[in-house]
Amino acid sequence: ILNVEQSPQSLHVQEGDSTNFTCSFPSSNFYALHWYRWETAKSPEALFVMTLNGDEKKKGRISATLNTKEGYSYLYIKGSQPEDSATYLCAFSGNTPLVFGKGTRLSVIA
Amino acid sequence: GAVVSQHPSWVICKSGTSVKIECRSLDFQATTMFWYRQFPKQSLMLMATSNEGSKATYEQGVEKDKFLINHASLTLSTLTVTSAHPEDSSFYICSARENSRGELFFGEGSRLTVL
Repeated sequence: ILNVEQSPQSLHVQEGDSTNFTCSFPSSNFYALHWYRWETAKSPEALFVMTLNGDEKKKGRISATLNTKEGYSYLYIKGSQPEDSATYLCAFSGNTPLVFGKGTRLSVIA
Repeated sequence: GAVVSQHPSWVICKSGTSVKIECRSLDFQATTMFWYRQFPKQSLMLMATSNEGSKATYEQGVEKDKFLINHASLTLSTLTVTSAHPEDSSFYICSARENSRGELFFGEGSRLTVL
């Protein structure tokens, strides 16, 4: 059974703080690692699709890194804003359909 | 951006009834759609892969006779929970893979409560 772990489960930060969280996934049969941002009552929104070891991707204040050899990815948010409050999901795809982690719930306090 | 509409957003039903959930891709065609289920504090778990014009592929442990999937057009897949029981109460969400670029877009999910 493939296991995708995300930590922490939840996080509260002050507006302006930078933060990061982790996604761990199997290092074998890797194809891609996906990050999604999921606001309550909305659809999960794709942030990044990462495929290469050492990949770094950036979208505004959000960035992500990928280490396929050791099986982890970090998501960073610089200068958190209240609108960043959401659940951040990572999903692993190997030779199987997407396997999701449980998500990290981020709350940014103004 | 591409939009996937899922309906209903929430439904409460009596035990033994059947409930149908629709997943529509509004501005793109999707040969393949996916149905997921999420129990509280758990991950999104893939239930089945829905392919237009053919039978769905179910994940291990998912009863195909209980969770009927129909994907009759390139923009619509439906999930019918037959003879629902309280243990079927969950959050169900679909995603659709856009044919041209292969990107995956999610619906907003449907919360089912079976009394």
